[in-house]
Amino acid sequence: DAKTTQPPSMDCAEGRAANLPCNHSTISGNEYVYWYRQIHSQGPQYIIHGLKNNETNEMASLIITEDRKSSTLILPHATLRDTAVYYCIVKRSGGGADGLTFGKGTHLIIQP
Amino acid sequence: DAGVTQSPTHLIKTRGQQVTLRCSPKSGHDTVSWYQQALGQGPQFIFQYYEEEERQRGNFPDRFSGHQFPNYSSELNVNALLLGDSALYLCASSFQTSSGNTIYFGEGSWLTVV
Repeated sequence: DAKTTQPPSMDCAEGRAANLPCNHSTISGNEYVYWYRQIHSQGPQYIIHGLKNNETNEMASLIITEDRKSSTLILPHATLRDTAVYYCIVKRSGGGADGLTFGKGTHLIIQP
Repeated sequence: DAGVTQSPTHLIKTRGQQVTLRCSPKSGHDTVSWYQQALGQGPQFIFQYYEEEERQRGNFPDRFSGHQFPNYSSELNVNALLLGDSALYLCASSFQTSSGNTIYFGEGSWLTVV
């Protein structure tokens, strides 16, 4: 699986959009980009994933660059409950047949 | 629809003892994976079970073993516990195939080895 690079921490004001970047310059054509978050002492929560097209769901939007070497997770209206560690993960296939390789993630802190 | 459930939520063991952690996957999922998360670190993949067999394994010693039952539930066993085994143990479930699949995690079992 390709490695990812994320900033260790970010701040965002409550009510503003939080944009979390991820670099995955060695991604292969069949690798998906997954985003998870982990609120303190809880299990990781799935947010969104995509292959090459931009994706949106009720939680967030995922923007993948055309060359697929980087992506941005967007939380449109951040709340205090969005404070968490966010993990960007590149996975070999879209199925459940492979384990996830977590890095250190980005600690997003939403400021009131 | 119940998500991934794990038990127990917290437990304390003594060095050298053995521990068994349990996981019930999300309804309909056939694959269970286990992760270890030390304090301040991201989760680390231990192994994955599908069709009652270990399919993949991370960089963990043989002291870590598991089992999957016909109903897809799973157990993680750790023998000869070390202080360094203290961690949050996470279970995740998914479908084995199907592209664009989502992997769901349970809330974890906190293990403290003293």
